[in-house]
Amino acid sequence: ELKVEQNPLFLSMQEGKNYTIYCNYSTTSDRLYWYRQDPGKSLESLFVLLSNGAVKQEGRLMASLDTKARLSTLHITAAVHDLSATYFCAVDMSWNRDDKIIFGKGTRLHILP
Amino acid sequence: DTGVSQDPRHKITKRGQNVTFRCDPISEHNRLYWYRQTLGQGPEFLTYFQNEAQLEKSRLLSDRFSAERPKGSFSTLEIQRTEQGDSAMYLCASSSVQGANYGYTFGSGTRLTVV
Repeated sequence: ELKVEQNPLFLSMQEGKNYTIYCNYSTTSDRLYWYRQDPGKSLESLFVLLSNGAVKQEGRLMASLDTKARLSTLHITAAVHDLSATYFCAVDMSWNRDDKIIFGKGTRLHILP
Repeated sequence: DTGVSQDPRHKITKRGQNVTFRCDPISEHNRLYWYRQTLGQGPEFLTYFQNEAQLEKSRLLSDRFSAERPKGSFSTLEIQRTEQGDSAMYLCASSSVQGANYGYTFGSGTRLTVV
C-alpha cells in the first residue's frame, strides 16, 4: 500500500524567510501533484510534475520531483503572509495501473507578518 | 466551463438519516472521483468512475455508501443511515483520460455534519 509522508506537518515561519516542504512516497510513481487548501475551501492545483527531474516555479513557490529517491520538494522563497495555507502533495498511482492519486496528510503553513 | 460543481455546499443531518450529494464534473472529463477529508487530514480516496462505469471502490466505502454516474455525466454519492463518523468534507474531482498530465480538478466540496 502506498504511503505518502509529508514533513513537516506544521510550519510557522516569518515573512521573508525560505523553507522547504518534503514529500516522500513509498512506491514507484512518475507523477506528483501539489495542491493548496485554504481553511474551509477546496483544493487548488499548484504544480503537476510529470517526470524525474521536473522542476516548476510559480512566484515564490518552486516544486521538484526526484522519482528515483521518491521525493518531491516544495520550496518557498521569501515567504509572504498570503502563502499561509495547507499544502498537500499527491502521488499518481497510474504507474501501478491504479487510476487515482493518494494524498499526504498536508503541511499547515503559517507565515507570521 | 465553470469547473467542477458540487451541491449542496453544506449539509447538516440527524444521525440515521440518508443524504445524497451531487457532483457535476467538467464536461469533457470522463473520469470522476470522490474523496473524503476529515479535519486535519489529507483527502482519502473513496471511489472513481470512468464514464458510467464504477471502476474502483475503497475499503472506506462501507455498504452504507453508494455512488452512481448513470449517464457518464454527473454523479451522486448517497450515504444511508448516517453516523457521526461520516461527518467530513466530501470532495469530487474530475479528469480526462490523459488527466494525469494536467492534474485533477476538484470541486468546492460538500461539508457534511451529522448531529
